Amino acid sequence: DMKVTQMPRYLIKRMGENVLLECGQDMSHETMYWYRQDPGLGLQLIYISYDVDSNSEGDIPKGYRVSRKKREHFSLILDSAKTNQTSVYFCASSLSTALWEVFFGKGTRLTVV
Amino acid sequence: GQQVQQSPASLVLQEGENAELQCNFSSTATRLQWFYQRPGGSLVSLLSNPSGTKHTGRLTSTTVTKERRGSLHISSSQITDSGTYLCAMGGANTGKLTFGHGTILRVHP
Repeated sequence: DMKVTQMPRYLIKRMGENVLLECGQDMSHETMYWYRQDPGLGLQLIYISYDVDSNSEGDIPKGYRVSRKKREHFSLILDSAKTNQTSVYFCASSLSTALWEVFFGKGTRLTVV
Repeated sequence: GQQVQQSPASLVLQEGENAELQCNFSSTATRLQWFYQRPGGSLVSLLSNPSGTKHTGRLTSTTVTKERRGSLHISSSQITDSGTYLCAMGGANTGKLTFGHGTILRVHP
């Protein structure tokens, strides 16, 4: 069963704490993504990864970094979280950057207080 | 940067009616994908086609790449079709998917 798994599903952090969001996929997909979704702003791309250690900034990378040391695993890191990073974060993957479908995880709802 | 415009922003139908959702994008797309999302839910891929017409069940996606537009037709709508429909375009060579803000569909009995 092909899937993208995100952990944790819900997270509450204090301002200034570090946050680690994990994402895994079991489809050997090359390309993985991190998006955030906010009311009125829609889905915005934070980072895209083309393969292991091959990451590229998306449209809103400031305040975030990523790590991809294995093809099936892609992490999003917030160093010193801010309240404006409260959002729903989605991880996604696709076979490649060409014409292939993109599959999404169930999301992580992060609240920074 | 790339922009994706969806219309209408919202749509109310009676069960059994058809829906036509539009998607226009600002630059040449190599991929157009439609997603469905329930409130608080994840994105479910519906159809992905870079050009031409593709069907699955009651859904038909049509993409005219050179005119930078796509559409999603839902036939014989059901109450369970209610939710948000998102269009996303993939730009050439980057693999980045840019999303529209969605069409909120409500189907009433």
